[in-house]
Amino acid sequence: ETGVTQTPRHLVMGMTNKKSLKCEQHLGHNAMYWYKQSAKKPLELMFVYNFKEQTENNSVPSRFSPECPNSSHLFLHLHTLQPEDSALYLCASSQGTGPYEQYFGPGTRLTVT
Amino acid sequence: GENVEQHPSTLSVQEGDSAVIKCTYSDSASNYFPWYKQELGKRPQLIIDIRSNVGEKKDQRIAVTLNKTAKHFSLHITETQPEDSAVYFCAGSGGYQKVTFGTGTKLQVIP
Repeated sequence: ETGVTQTPRHLVMGMTNKKSLKCEQHLGHNAMYWYKQSAKKPLELMFVYNFKEQTENNSVPSRFSPECPNSSHLFLHLHTLQPEDSALYLCASSQGTGPYEQYFGPGTRLTVT
Repeated sequence: GENVEQHPSTLSVQEGDSAVIKCTYSDSASNYFPWYKQELGKRPQLIIDIRSNVGEKKDQRIAVTLNKTAKHFSLHITETQPEDSAVYFCAGSGGYQKVTFGTGTKLQVIP
């Protein structure tokens, strides 16, 4: 698959579980992003990485832990989540931060029980 | 940091009519303004963008206008069709700062 891929597409987890979301981009981009999409906040930026370095943490609770081992891969590690964390988590990439088109992945639908 | 406000949150139009979505931004240094369309169950995709050195840009039935003095920009869709039904997000960015998205407008085109 080309573009931006995300796995898993659906995830159900209990509040005591630990899980990880994976994002991979095949576009040669340098910047990657995690967004949370819910009915209350349609497109909420969580983290930004540029050349593997985190450049933005939008006051995200520590139960979300990002990891960017290289410019093509981005992970979001989840632990002790709350039901209100249930949402669609979108990954995106772009050539760089700033005035560049962002390419989104299909998202992971997360349900916390 | 940048703050982008978007109105209306929902918009219903009859097929064939025009639709206008408006956004304002706070950072006068912002110079890049993209618009994304997200169809139901799909990912957001860029449909048009404008940079601060132009006041208007068109692409077939869609156009975007920018007023830097007033710090607002708008998306215009003419001759709307059912496939235009989606959520539309405006955004703003300055220099190499992150893109800040608006809160989205759900557009419904009624056949």
